[in-house]
Amino acid sequence: GQSLEQPSEVTAVEGAIVQINCTYQTSGFYGLSWYQQHDGGAPTFLSYNALDGLEETGRFSSFLSRSDSYGYLLLQELQMKDSASYFCAVPYSSASKIIFGSGTRLSIRP
Amino acid sequence: DTEVTQTPKHLVMGMTNKKSLKCEQHMGHRAMYWYKQKAKKPPELMFVYSYEKLSINESVPSRFSPECPNSSLLNLHLHALQPEDSALYLCASSQDGSGFQETQYFGPGTRLLVL
Repeated sequence: GQSLEQPSEVTAVEGAIVQINCTYQTSGFYGLSWYQQHDGGAPTFLSYNALDGLEETGRFSSFLSRSDSYGYLLLQELQMKDSASYFCAVPYSSASKIIFGSGTRLSIRP
Repeated sequence: DTEVTQTPKHLVMGMTNKKSLKCEQHMGHRAMYWYKQKAKKPPELMFVYSYEKLSINESVPSRFSPECPNSSLLNLHLHALQPEDSALYLCASSQDGSGFQETQYFGPGTRLLVL
């Protein structure tokens, strides 16, 4: 089966850096995605890693280590608007089937 | 235009009612999805349509009936729902569902309450 584990809650200070980890167990691995969802909003795609290493997109970066079945999302220069839930996700059995991790609720304090 | 729209935003229905949720996208995507999301939980895949054909049904009860009238529209017909079906129903679309790196674009969802 497929399973993803991530912390349920993380708290950080505005302007700081935070890392949200995700470990996965999958039969077949095709890549790791990250989605952001604000309360009452739709999930929005942030990043996708198919290969080992760091992908940077503005203040957000995502890292993957296939040998460790581990990835993380790094958020820099935190802003209050970054308060949201963050889900790691993997496709399984086919590209159109995605399983999401349980989500990490990020709270930013001033 | 990278928008997926869903109507209605909110829906309250009784267990004997029949209602429909609607989803529309104009990005030329050929794969469309229905997800169910309970509070503080991740989205769970219900159905996938690829090129207007149902390609995945995640063992969803028959009281949920999807329909894809054309490549831009996706409906979810609801009948004889249970209170535990109350949730946020999300629609999404992607290029054609064949690429592992495809981005799924989500609509804002319909918040459903079954009384």
